[in-house]
Amino acid sequence: EAQVTQNPRYLITVTGKKLTVTCSQNMNHEYMSWYRQDPGLGLRQIYYSMNVEVTDKGDVPEGYKVSRKEKRNFPLILESPSPNQTSLYFCASSFRGENTEAFFGQGTRLTVV
Amino acid sequence: GDSVTQMEGPVTLSEEAFLTINCTYTATGYPSLFWYVQYPGEGLQLLLKATKADDKGSNKGFEATYRKETTSFHLEKGSVQVSDSAVYFCALSPNTDKLIFGTGTRLQVFP
Repeated sequence: EAQVTQNPRYLITVTGKKLTVTCSQNMNHEYMSWYRQDPGLGLRQIYYSMNVEVTDKGDVPEGYKVSRKEKRNFPLILESPSPNQTSLYFCASSFRGENTEAFFGQGTRLTVV
Repeated sequence: GDSVTQMEGPVTLSEEAFLTINCTYTATGYPSLFWYVQYPGEGLQLLLKATKADDKGSNKGFEATYRKETTSFHLEKGSVQVSDSAVYFCALSPNTDKLIFGTGTRLQVFP
């Protein structure tokens, strides 16, 4: 089954404790991205990757890191989480091109206390 | 910059009512337009899309027409069901791989 898998689904952590949210896709997509969803703000792009070893900042990259060592995986790293990073996070993947469908993971609800 | 504006929610309807969710956009050039739906506890999934002016996207009884003259892409359905209760996102792709989303509109359908 074609899918984007995120883990964990739920995470509660403390300020400053490094964490990684994993994302994996099995559709051989070149393009992968991370979004955060906040009430009243919709989805905002954090980082994206157009292919292996190619990553770039989205609209809200501060406090986040990513890597793309393999085509299927695109982990999101919070080196020192802060409460303002409490949010619902989505990973998405697609083929390149403006008309293509993006496939989303089920989301990771992160709470930083 | 490019942006999408959606009507505030929630939209509350009785089953079999007519649905309209308004979406307008600002973009340079000719973006592709999308509606994504998010069911409770799930990620977003593509509902329909349109890639050029006057195109009509349709799926599962939902329709939206790309109106360049009014920069709009309103979502409509003739008869909603309880199972349509979800959050609906309008989005555009401005000639790149990137998606720019609206803030989302929650639809609640009651029996």
